[in-house]
Amino acid sequence: GEEVAQTPKHLVRGEGQKAKLYCAPIKGHSYVFWYQQVLKNEFKFLISFQNENVFDETGMPKERFSAKCLPNSPCSLEIQATKLEDSAVYFCASSQSRQSYEQYFGPGTRLTVT
Amino acid sequence: AQSVAQPEDQVNVAEGNPLTVKCTYSVSGNPYLFWYVQYPNRGLQFLLKYITGDNLVKGSYGFEAEFNKSQTSFHLKKPSALVSDSALYFCAVRPGGNSGGYQKVTFGTGTKLQVIP
Repeated sequence: GEEVAQTPKHLVRGEGQKAKLYCAPIKGHSYVFWYQQVLKNEFKFLISFQNENVFDETGMPKERFSAKCLPNSPCSLEIQATKLEDSAVYFCASSQSRQSYEQYFGPGTRLTVT
Repeated sequence: AQSVAQPEDQVNVAEGNPLTVKCTYSVSGNPYLFWYVQYPNRGLQFLLKYITGDNLVKGSYGFEAEFNKSQTSFHLKKPSALVSDSALYFCAVRPGGNSGGYQKVTFGTGTKLQVIP
């Protein structure tokens, strides 16, 4: 069946450089979520979208992180000036609608900041 | 604030034996509860959910989970473990109801299941 696609698989950036991650949700899914998985397996919620509109951004460090979901384009998560502590695996997930409950996850992008 | 606790970092079980992975939660109102599995270098895969109805829910790969409202628990179970079940398991919760759109899901910190041949 269809899957959430994330690119790139791995990304290495020097501290202070920009990083941009992409996510293509499952076709027909209205909700997109970004999570950061760090040491100890913790999943930190970053931001969610309902179609192209930000729904919940309470987890986003706004000074450096931004995200977009534009029509007919992959969603993106951008970190303007990476820091060492941004090293993590970033997962994107999508969900069909308000009436559906489970989220479907992509394979993740591993960001390493050196 | 909602939260999920998975008290065991790791669970070891012999192949063929029953397994239980524990989860307790805290949320306002009725909970929606989920179990996901993560294999190495992969994203989370949905296993099962409790929304309403029967307290025992069945999911993929022979897994089931029992919702216990009084104990605020949602333990994952399987009658006979397979070596291929070895993975990281995450419990998750969100508030029930659909008002205001999709509400944020909170994940536990995961339990590593090791099935020994």
